[in-house]
Amino acid sequence: AQKVTQAQTEISVVEKEDVTLDCVYETRDTTYYLFWYKQPPSGELVFLIRRNSFDEQNEISGRYSWNFQKSTSSFNFTITASQVVDSAVYFCALSGHTGTASKLTFGTGTRLQVTL
Amino acid sequence: DGGITQSPKYLFRKEGQNVTLSCEQNLNHDAMYWYRQDPGQGLRLIYYSQIVNDFQKGDIAEGYSVSREKKESFPLTVTSAQKNPTAFYLCASTGTSFGNTGELFFGEGSRLTVL
Repeated sequence: AQKVTQAQTEISVVEKEDVTLDCVYETRDTTYYLFWYKQPPSGELVFLIRRNSFDEQNEISGRYSWNFQKSTSSFNFTITASQVVDSAVYFCALSGHTGTASKLTFGTGTRLQVTL
Repeated sequence: DGGITQSPKYLFRKEGQNVTLSCEQNLNHDAMYWYRQDPGQGLRLIYYSQIVNDFQKGDIAEGYSVSREKKESFPLTVTSAQKNPTAFYLCASTGTSFGNTGELFFGEGSRLTVL
């Protein structure tokens, strides 16, 4: 069975601080995909990144960066110089290579509060 | 603009009533999904449909029903058999080209409260 653990329930930082959101996953699939989604107060989940299990290169997109380490089954997300607009709930998710159906297993989410 | 529209945004229901949540997409996606979100929990899959006139149960299908008569529409009915229906419901879709990778596009959700 697949499982995604986001141990940090809530994180509060002051604007301009760096913050890392942790994600640990479990799967028996050899091919799988990892995701991060952002859920702002409006409720809609917004896709941030997808990473497949064969690509362990770290990725940077503006103030966002992701660290994928298969050895520790982790896919951590770092926001550099956080801003108030980053306040949201962030979900890590895992999808196995199961064929035609896409079934994501989500973590419980980390609520990030960025204050001035 | 392309996207997923869910309605209503807020809905109140008395115990024993069935309610239907609407989900419409104009992204030309084949696959559509319904998730339930409860406080402090991740999203849990209720039902999904890969093609018109076909749908499959997810992890928590009991007390819910769906239909997929049109590609762009995937309504969810919360029946009186659902023991704890108060929750936030999210509809999502994906194109078949992404079907194996799981990248989903989400609507803004419908919040159902049972009085």
